[in-house]
Formats: sequence, structure tokens, C-alpha cells
Amino acid sequence: GAGVSQTPSNKVTEKGKYVELRCDPISGHTALYWYRQSLGQGPEFLIYFQGTGAADDSGLPNDRFFAVRPEGSVSTLKIQRTERGDSAVYLCASSLMQNTEAFFGQGTRLTVV
Amino acid sequence: AQTVTQSQPEMSVQEAETVTLSCTYDTSESDYYLFWYKQPPSRQMILVIRQEAYKQQNATENRFSVNFQKAAKSFSLKISDSQLGDAAMYFCAYRGRTSGTYKYIFGTGTRLKVLA
Repeated sequence: GAGVSQTPSNKVTEKGKYVELRCDPISGHTALYWYRQSLGQGPEFLIYFQGTGAADDSGLPNDRFFAVRPEGSVSTLKIQRTERGDSAVYLCASSLMQNTEAFFGQGTRLTVV
Repeated sequence: AQTVTQSQPEMSVQEAETVTLSCTYDTSESDYYLFWYKQPPSRQMILVIRQEAYKQQNATENRFSVNFQKAAKSFSLKISDSQLGDAAMYFCAYRGRTSGTYKYIFGTGTRLKVLA
């Protein structure tokens, strides 16, 4: 694709529900990142994939958060038992290789009510 | 651990004037990248300019330039001839070259307002 695509653009869910956020990276990009941006803050690192494997998941806040990238392309960020504190913009970025410029998507705004 | 600090939550500049946004960082690595990203209301992070730490020359991209002071761990962004379209959040970011993951570490951002 022309750029990193994230769906949905906005998601409202009830506390306790399960949500999935999708990221379609630029075609051919092997590295993929997830970030979380809370209101008034800069993006915070969650997880990084190199190919299909999670090379670094040190930013995931707890075991309610999980991400997959089964075929080395599309990635899904999964959040179980959502809490109001999970409300944020979730940004995805991809890069051709791990040491090249990352391109960001427009993010998914998650609101937990 | 690496940190990035932006001490100016908000800045204003008159159209056509020059403004400088400040950023300091902390790292024990000797080789790394520094970036300035622009985030308009559309939320997409747009790369404005990048600096490689091993290069002494300050990066320049049209109206945007940086003042990189490696010893002081300072990385400021200068915007010349400010335009209304420059209004946005600006984030300073650090990325290591030896960390193994090349993850970006962002500051808290500076909101730039451009006054007509």
C-alpha cells in the first residue's frame, strides 16, 4: 500500500470488553512497531516485530495486551478486559528494515467507557 | 535508559517569523539518531528532520534546521518563515543504533501555534 493503514480509525468499547486493532504496514516492510499515545503525551513504545516474531515486547503494560503478526505483514494488537485507562491513540509504524526510517499510520483512537 | 525532554509545552510564533523548539536527551550510547516529528490533528506522525549523531554538521530541510550539540545532549529545531500550516504538535525523538530494537523514544511534545 501507499502508507501504513490502521483500522478502525476510532473505536468505542465498554469497560471489560475485548478489542482488536489492526495495522497494515507498507508492503515489504519487515519491521513493525506499536506505540500508545495518551492525551497530552508523546508516543510510548509497546512492542516491536521483526518479521513474524516479537523482537521486543518490553513496553506492553500487562498481560491484557498481546500482539501478533502471523505472516510477517499485518499485525493485530489485542486488548482483553479493557479498562478506562486503556483509552488512548494506538499508533503503528513500519520500516523496511530495523535500522531504517519508520513510517507511521494515523492511529486508532480507543475510548473505553 | 534513554530519555527525551521537551520543556516547552506550547510555543507561539507570528507568521513569517522564526521560532526555536527545544529538546534535550540523555543516553549512554555514542551512536544514535535524533528526529523531529510533526503531528497535525490528523494524528499521523510526519518526519520533519533527522540527525545522525556521528555527523557534526547540523541537518537542514528547507525552512527547518537543527542545532545539534552532542556534548550538551541538546537538539533544537528552528523553523524559519513560519507558515500557518506549520501549526501542530512537534515531538523530539531518539533512536539508538546499538540498542537492538531501534525503537523510538519520544518527548512529551510542544504545541506550536502560528499567528496570522
